[in-house]
Amino acid sequence: NAGVTQTPKFRILKIGQSMTLQCTQDMNHNYMYWYRQDPGMGLKLIYYSVGAGITDKGEVPNGYNVSRSTTEDFPLRLELAAPSQTSVYFCASSSAPGSLNTEAFFGQGTRLTVV
Amino acid sequence: QQQVKQSPQSLIVQKGGIPIINCAYENTAFDYFPWYQQFPGKGPALLIAIRPDVSEKKEGRFTISFNKSAKQFSLHIMDSQPGDSATYFCAASIESSGDKLTFGTGTRLAVRP
Repeated sequence: NAGVTQTPKFRILKIGQSMTLQCTQDMNHNYMYWYRQDPGMGLKLIYYSVGAGITDKGEVPNGYNVSRSTTEDFPLRLELAAPSQTSVYFCASSSAPGSLNTEAFFGQGTRLTVV
Repeated sequence: QQQVKQSPQSLIVQKGGIPIINCAYENTAFDYFPWYQQFPGKGPALLIAIRPDVSEKKEGRFTISFNKSAKQFSLHIMDSQPGDSATYFCAASIESSGDKLTFGTGTRLAVRP
């Protein structure tokens, strides 16, 4: 059981480049999330999705886009990378509210540096 | 606006000690309060969680104390071990909206042998 898998684990981007962070989960969870973690700042929600075809903004969505074409996959797109997007990105998933176990499961993270 | 405030930022205890990490929240609509444990290079993992209908919850050596009127909750680690050395995050959410978690800033715990 792989859980939540993120790729790549590390990436260095130049300012203005674009990239997609991949996230896939094999737990058949409806809810998926993208967080970023900055030193001393905790994790902040970028975007989330409550099911295939449905996405919504979190606390810090500027500079990012997401899509959810399948239950399993929730990629995060950076269109014009900026140094402020240097961070560690975590994808997470959980079952719908009211389920027996609504624990959020996190991937191992993608460390992104924009230079 | 930081909705969940966590302290201390770092903590060092001897093996067997009882580290205590405190969190305070502002949004009274929050009704789910989990604690996450994160080891270096790994994603956060759920440690223990509480809902506001109880004042305390224990799971093994980990205890959450919850004070609804003060809008505060804390994590106690009994008989701490070097393997507990990690970063701990408190969080809060409105459970009906899923795990849209608002995290505290984290506490880096070191347990000395």
